[in-house]
Amino acid sequence: GQSLEQPSEVTAVEGAIVQINCTYQTSGFYGLSWYQQHDGGAPTFLSYNALDGLEETGRFSSFLSRSDSYGYLLLQELQMKDSASYFCAVRDLGANNLFFGTGTRLTVIP
Amino acid sequence: GAVVSQHPSWVICKSGTSVKIECRSLDFQATTMFWYRQFPKQSLMLMATSNEGSKATYEQGVEKDKFLINHASLTLSTLTVTSAHPEDSSFYICSASGWGLADLSEQFFGPGTRLTVL
Repeated sequence: GQSLEQPSEVTAVEGAIVQINCTYQTSGFYGLSWYQQHDGGAPTFLSYNALDGLEETGRFSSFLSRSDSYGYLLLQELQMKDSASYFCAVRDLGANNLFFGTGTRLTVIP
Repeated sequence: GAVVSQHPSWVICKSGTSVKIECRSLDFQATTMFWYRQFPKQSLMLMATSNEGSKATYEQGVEKDKFLINHASLTLSTLTVTSAHPEDSSFYICSASGWGLADLSEQFFGPGTRLTVL
């Protein structure tokens, strides 16, 4: 089975940097993805790590360490619009399903 | 590109009635569609996976006779919540993957349907 744990809530100041961690236990997966979801909206894809290391996409970066069963999403130059829920997810090896983490609600304050 | 729509965006129904939710891929052929359910302040939970022309595969604990899924074409999948009860009130989200995408395995999400059962 799959299990992905995230901190439930994080608060950070506008303009700052915040890291959202994801620790997982899986029976095998292709890679770790990150999604953003605003209240009442659909998840939107942010980043994907197939291999260990850091992937950078604008203000967002994501990191994966398979040996540590750990990944994180790094958000830089935080903006008020970044207030949302963030989910890590793994793509199952067998059925191509996505299993989502417990989710982290990020609140950006002025 | 890679747009997925859902209809309706929200629905309120009486307990005991059935509700149908549509999920459409607008600019690609969705060989696989996924249905998720999300309760307030919780994560997305996969309910079932459907491949075009085949029976859906349901996750453990999801009643296939209660949540009927049809994926009869490459652009449309439907989820019917039969004999809905208040505990079925949730946010239902579909996603799709398939031909016409750069990555056949990448999933694109619909905007979701808010179901409220009175």
